[in-house]
Amino acid sequence: DTAVSQTPKYLVTQMGNDKSIKCEQNLGHDTMYWYKQDSKKFLKIMFSYNNKELIINETVPNRFSPKSPDKAHLNLHINSLELGDSAVYFCASSQDGHSPLHFGNGTRLTVT
Amino acid sequence: GQQVMQIPQYQHVQEGEDFTTYCNSSTTLSNIQWYKQRPGGHPVFLIQLVKSGEVKKQKRLTFQFGEAKKNSSLHITATQTTDVGTYFCAQDTGRRALTFGSGTRLQVQP
Repeated sequence: DTAVSQTPKYLVTQMGNDKSIKCEQNLGHDTMYWYKQDSKKFLKIMFSYNNKELIINETVPNRFSPKSPDKAHLNLHINSLELGDSAVYFCASSQDGHSPLHFGNGTRLTVT
Repeated sequence: GQQVMQIPQYQHVQEGEDFTTYCNSSTTLSNIQWYKQRPGGHPVFLIQLVKSGEVKKQKRLTFQFGEAKKNSSLHITATQTTDVGTYFCAQDTGRRALTFGSGTRLQVQP
């Protein structure tokens, strides 16, 4: 049973398109996140949600819009994709926001 | 914002050699966590250190938290090819999120 699952695993698309990444966790955790990992492996937090409430929005362009329909799901919608959006996006969850993170397998987004 | 500096950025060792990565913060940390990311994989939690001067061991891995809680280290004794990956330290921001260090990429030559 996968604890944190995100789809799709790979996403190749053209500039200007809109795409979504989905994430689900079956750990019963209260807090979920989106992290972006660039080509140099830097892991940067984008958003965090606690019980469906947005806690952190780290100066992410408003083309990125997270949505949490319930505390087990956190999706990421990206409008008007740009070349610089190419990266690996990781979903993660944590029991309470201070406990260790459990990461999904990542979505490798390539914008051409 | 808070930043955790991690060094070295990259290290290449021969199998059997030791390896150490260091994290340094300008502020006192409430705790620090360590993660390992295998090539093509996702970060996996290794350990959390909370107390000043704490030392924890996991087989060949030794984790230390500084007395002032501003630095931490991960030491691997007698590296193996299975140790290959990127090691990240991460600090609790106090806002229900972790800020990750820049990572140390370890290559092990068999």
